[in-house]
Amino acid sequence: ETGVTQSPTHLIKTRGQQVTLRCSSQSGHNTVSWYQQALGQGPQFIFQYYREEENGRGNFPPRFSGLQFPNYSSELNVNALELDDSALYLCASSLRSGRAVDTQYFGPGTRLTVL
Amino acid sequence: AQSVTQLDSQVPVFEEAPVELRCNYSSSVSVYLFWYVQYPNQGLQLLLKYLSGSTLVKGINGFEAEFNKSQTSFHLRKPSVHISDTAEYFCAVSEKTSGTYKYIFGTGTRLKVLA
Repeated sequence: ETGVTQSPTHLIKTRGQQVTLRCSSQSGHNTVSWYQQALGQGPQFIFQYYREEENGRGNFPPRFSGLQFPNYSSELNVNALELDDSALYLCASSLRSGRAVDTQYFGPGTRLTVL
Repeated sequence: AQSVTQLDSQVPVFEEAPVELRCNYSSSVSVYLFWYVQYPNQGLQLLLKYLSGSTLVKGINGFEAEFNKSQTSFHLRKPSVHISDTAEYFCAVSEKTSGTYKYIFGTGTRLKVLA
């Protein structure tokens, strides 16, 4: 069984640029959630994708957007990068069964540094 | 909205001693609780979860947690820690909003095991 993978591992960008982060779900999972973890903080929920549609969003501006593909992999796009966007971005996959709460399994994360 | 409080930001403990990491959540009708561990420069690994049933939950690496509804707590315990348990530990509660389960994390507790 393949776990959740993310790419790239590290990324350095400058203010105003755009970035795309990628995530491959664990085998058999149909839902992807993205979290932002600032240094010294717990992860904060950005949004969740199910059946290729955004299905829940945290307190993040529209310049944070995403995609989910038919194979359940996902992308997180951030436009107009700001210094405060520097963080570890975590992807989590889960199986939405409709019968019980999802258990989310996390990838290793992408460390984004904005200069 | 749910919230999670981890009162201890750091817990130093000697090797082979017992440890308890505290977690309190805001009350709700249905509560689903999780503990994750994060080793340096890595993503989150699921330690254990409480969805329903027995209030004592056993997880990986010898950890266990007890769900206490009256005290709204879900403390993590290990009877004898090892150097390799040094990591950041996060408590999370799952909140369902419009069909989406998102996780609310605490700010984390850094466990440092001393030789």
